[in-house]
Amino acid sequence: QMQLLESGPRLVKPSETLSLVCAISGASVKTYDWSWIRQPAGRGLEWIGRLYSSGNTNYNPSLRGRVAMSVDSSKNQFSLKLNSVTAADTAVYYCARAGELLWFGELISAFDIWGQGTLVTVSS
Amino acid sequence: DIQMTQSPSSLSASVGDRVTITCRASENIRSYLNWYQQMPGKAPRLLIYGASTLQTGVPSRFFGSGSGTEFTLTIGSLQPEDFATYHCQQTYNTPPFTHTFGQGTKLEIK
Repeated sequence: QMQLLESGPRLVKPSETLSLVCAISGASVKTYDWSWIRQPAGRGLEWIGRLYSSGNTNYNPSLRGRVAMSVDSSKNQFSLKLNSVTAADTAVYYCARAGELLWFGELISAFDIWGQGTLVTVSS
Repeated sequence: DIQMTQSPSSLSASVGDRVTITCRASENIRSYLNWYQQMPGKAPRLLIYGASTLQTGVPSRFFGSGSGTEFTLTIGSLQPEDFATYHCQQTYNTPPFTHTFGQGTKLEIK
């Protein structure tokens, strides 16, 4: 059974870089696509980016230029780096599998497995 | 970019009620629409994909419909465990391949 677990600093200073890791158990990080999603307190979900099994990435245009995602196959995990953070980046950060589900002969992408989430606060 | 708008933002209902949540896309996304349920303090859970297909293990009282720009999630007879926040998400398979969420609908007990 696949499980995801986020880890990283819970407190980041303004203008610094937020760094999180998502450790995967029960599957290989090289097999699937992965995403990071965040949720400020009391607000909706915001998709941050997608890391394809090919190694390609795609990011939310609103964050492009500040965000980078990468894979560490040796540790079976993937990571998120968000630079130049401000208080607006304070949120619960989730990692998730971007599964490809069979749907009437097509494949449709959905976030079908999620980590528990980790709260990251940006404050001095 | 494709924008997703849910309505209402919050909803009060009683156990046994039938409720409907609407999600609108700013452009045609065919049926590339997913629904998630989020309990307080927990990660979201995939409920429905492709606008109408229930994820494995989801009770049949959940029903999704729609295509193009307008979609609905209906819960046929509310159970106590259904009081949660529901999110729609587009996953249209064309560039720029983004995955926008709606702002969420909080379903509360009346």
